[in-house]
Amino acid sequence: GAGVSQSPRYKVAKRGQDVALRCDPISGHVSLFWYQQALGQGPEFLTYFQNEAQLDKSGLPSDRFFAERPEGSVSTLKIQRTQQEDSAVYLCASSLVPEAYGYTFGSGTRLTVV
Amino acid sequence: SQQGEEDPQALSIQEGENATMNCSYKTSINNLQWYRQNSGRGLVHLILIRSNEREKHSGRLRVTLDTSKKSSSLLITASRAADTASYFCATAPYSSASKIIFGSGTRLSIRP
Repeated sequence: GAGVSQSPRYKVAKRGQDVALRCDPISGHVSLFWYQQALGQGPEFLTYFQNEAQLDKSGLPSDRFFAERPEGSVSTLKIQRTQQEDSAVYLCASSLVPEAYGYTFGSGTRLTVV
Repeated sequence: SQQGEEDPQALSIQEGENATMNCSYKTSINNLQWYRQNSGRGLVHLILIRSNEREKHSGRLRVTLDTSKKSSSLLITASRAADTASYFCATAPYSSASKIIFGSGTRLSIRP
């Protein structure tokens, strides 16, 4: 596709509910990243894939957070038993060669846990 | 945790003036990138400068990098109302060049 697509755009979840956030990267982009952005803050790194391999998941806040990219294209970020502190914008980015071209970001999913 | 710190946190200038934002970081880097974020939107990549480069230009943007001081600056010349946004620097650590770490951003407002 022309850009990185994320869905849903907005998600309201009741505390304790599981959610799944989807990211469609730019076709051919090998690298895919997830970031969490709290209001008024810079994005915080969550996890990174190269093709289907999850190379770095050091930023995932707890074992309630899980990400996958089974076929090296679409990725899903899953949050189990959501809590209020999970409320944030979740950003996905992809890149062909991050060290050369930087990232292309999607518009994000705004998650509100009530 | 955030690697970079932007300065100032907020900046308001008159349209047509130049805007300068600074970024300081802590560890050795492979490259440094600047991004713009309009309210409620995703981030847009502006420019990437490698650790062996000192200055880079792109249109009205000029980025400098001083690795000895671990700092970078972004200059926007002849600002326009459409430049109103938050600007973030992001560093790619030397040890993990694919992954970038963002600062807390500078909120730039351009007064008409």
